[in-house]
Formats: sequence, C-alpha cells, structure tokens
Amino acid sequence: DAKTTQPTSMDCAEGRAANLPCNHSTISGNEYVYWYRQIHSQGPQYIIHGLKNNETNEMASLIITEDRKSSTLILPHATLRDTAVYYCIVRVESTGNQFYFGTGTSLTVIP
Amino acid sequence: DAGVTQSPTHLIKTRGQQVTLRCSPKSGHDTVSWYQQALGQGPQFIFQYYEEEERQRGNFPDRFSGHQFPNYSSELNVNALLLGDSALYLCASSLTASWGNQPQHFGDGTRLSIL
Repeated sequence: DAKTTQPTSMDCAEGRAANLPCNHSTISGNEYVYWYRQIHSQGPQYIIHGLKNNETNEMASLIITEDRKSSTLILPHATLRDTAVYYCIVRVESTGNQFYFGTGTSLTVIP
Repeated sequence: DAGVTQSPTHLIKTRGQQVTLRCSPKSGHDTVSWYQQALGQGPQFIFQYYEEEERQRGNFPDRFSGHQFPNYSSELNVNALLLGDSALYLCASSLTASWGNQPQHFGDGTRLSIL
C-alpha cells in the first residue's frame, strides 16, 4: 500500500548535508508529502510536510519537484543523533488521509 | 504540554489471551489512529477514531477493536492473541479526522510480546 519508493540505506558524514530522496510518481494533486523519522525503540517523529512549494523548518528542508513526482529531505548539518530510519509518506486522500509507511531509508551518520 | 502517551510500555501475553492498550492524545487533538509495527517493518495502519467512532480501518481482522472516550483518549483491544501479533503498537493523534494538512504525532508505543 505504500505510495513511495526510497533507498534502503544511506550514509552521511557528520557535519555534512544529508539528502534523502523519495519517489512518489502516483501522487494526486492535493495529497501532501510527509517526512517522519524513527530512532530505535521510539515512536516516529514528525519532521516536515509539503504540498507543492519547498518548505523549511528548524529541523530540515523539503524540496518537491515541479511535477510533484519526487522530493528530497535535506538535513543541512547532520549529527550523530540524526541516525534513524526516515519515512517518506504520501497522505492518500481517498482513504481518509491515512499514512501509509513503507520500509523507509536507514540513515547512518558517520563520525 | 504532554505529547501522546501510551500505556503500558511493555506487555507479555500468551496465545489466546486478550489485551487492552491505552492512549492519551496530545493536548488539543481530537483524532486517534493506531498502528502495528512488526520488527524491521514500517508501521501499518489499523484504524482511526474520531468523535468516538471508527472512521477508517486498515486490513486487520475483527479481533482488533477499539474505542474512543469523550476525553478523546482511546483503547486498542486485541482478542484471541496469535504469535504474529507480537509487535510495537503505536498510537498517533491529530487535529480533525480528514484534513491532509495536519501532521500526526506519535507516542513511543507499547511493545507486545506473545509467548
């Protein structure tokens, strides 16, 4: 049921930007893209979401392509505490805006 | 301002038993969703409650049922437990059932182990 495709794993050097890609080619016009992360043994933590425009908050930036078929989550200066599984989710309107998680991207920040 | 709280944090049951998990939503939130997360997998949607009614349901059998109380807190009940029900059960709350522009906030879950 997941509507997104993400790489299984990625590494990033501490202090560098982490760029996590996501494909969502079947997204509809009014469906939002959400990003969450999950650190071992904790619940998913909300990071950011967007519809069409690029978004930025204190945690990250979200870049959505003009055709909305893909997006990239950017952690500008990765730290060891950013090591987690990152989920890209399309909130599907036809199912009451439920979240469908895939298996996410396991990001490892390397010292 | 308390976030989503779940109880208990860990639980051990045996096959055939019944279990009740509890969730208190984030202050100001009126909608509660429940998810099951098996080891190494992403969370799977079970159902959502709004205005004390089940509004949406994922692909889970009737052994999984729930309830929402007037104070918006919620319970997840699982009957006739199977070994495959061993998982982390997550509760998420949000404001308003169907708006796509509202993030869900998750608790840290209840780890259920079936022996």
